[in-house]
Amino acid sequence: DGGITQSPKYLFRKEGQNVTLSCEQNLNHDAMYWYRQDPGQGLRLIYYSQIVNDFQKGDIAEGYSVSREKKESFPLTVTSAQKNPTAFYLCASSIRGESEQFFGPGTRLTVL
Amino acid sequence: RKEVEQDPGPFNVPEGATVAFNCTYSNSASQSFFWYRQDCRKEPKLLMSVYSSGNEDGRFTAQLNRASQYISLLIRDSKLSDSATYLCVVNGYALNFGKGTSLLVTP
Repeated sequence: DGGITQSPKYLFRKEGQNVTLSCEQNLNHDAMYWYRQDPGQGLRLIYYSQIVNDFQKGDIAEGYSVSREKKESFPLTVTSAQKNPTAFYLCASSIRGESEQFFGPGTRLTVL
Repeated sequence: RKEVEQDPGPFNVPEGATVAFNCTYSNSASQSFFWYRQDCRKEPKLLMSVYSSGNEDGRFTAQLNRASQYISLLIRDSKLSDSATYLCVVNGYALNFGKGTSLLVTP
């Protein structure tokens, strides 16, 4: 099956710990994205990558880091510097930057 | 001014009704437009792309008005299963998502 996967679905961490969220796609898409969604709110862009080994900050990159070492993978690390990390994190990919995006099922992160 | 603006609703309509959502965008150079649907606690899913000439997919019709910089989504003969949040999306350095319009279709 072609698609985009995120794991785990639910994640709990203690305050002060870094945590890495996984995102993998086998759609052969060049572009990948990370969004954050808070309850009742829209999607906010954290980081995006148009091509392997390159990525740019989105609107709310502070406290997050990413890597794009492989075309199919775009992991997101939520660092202890992120003030309010509890949220629903969505990964997406697209053929190119302005094309429609396809989303993974998301990871719900709760920091205790 | 935000890049993409939508009326958050909620829109409460009876089954069988016709409902329309509008979305305005600020960047006149935008080239691609989409409507997504998001169910509660799920990921957004592409509903339809919006083309300059307008396009239809069953009960759903999308229109683009470049002069006034808005896109619209019309849902005819609403079903209970249409209840969801509808996100307007416009391209930028990455796609810009509106906050969504909530639709509740009631029996």
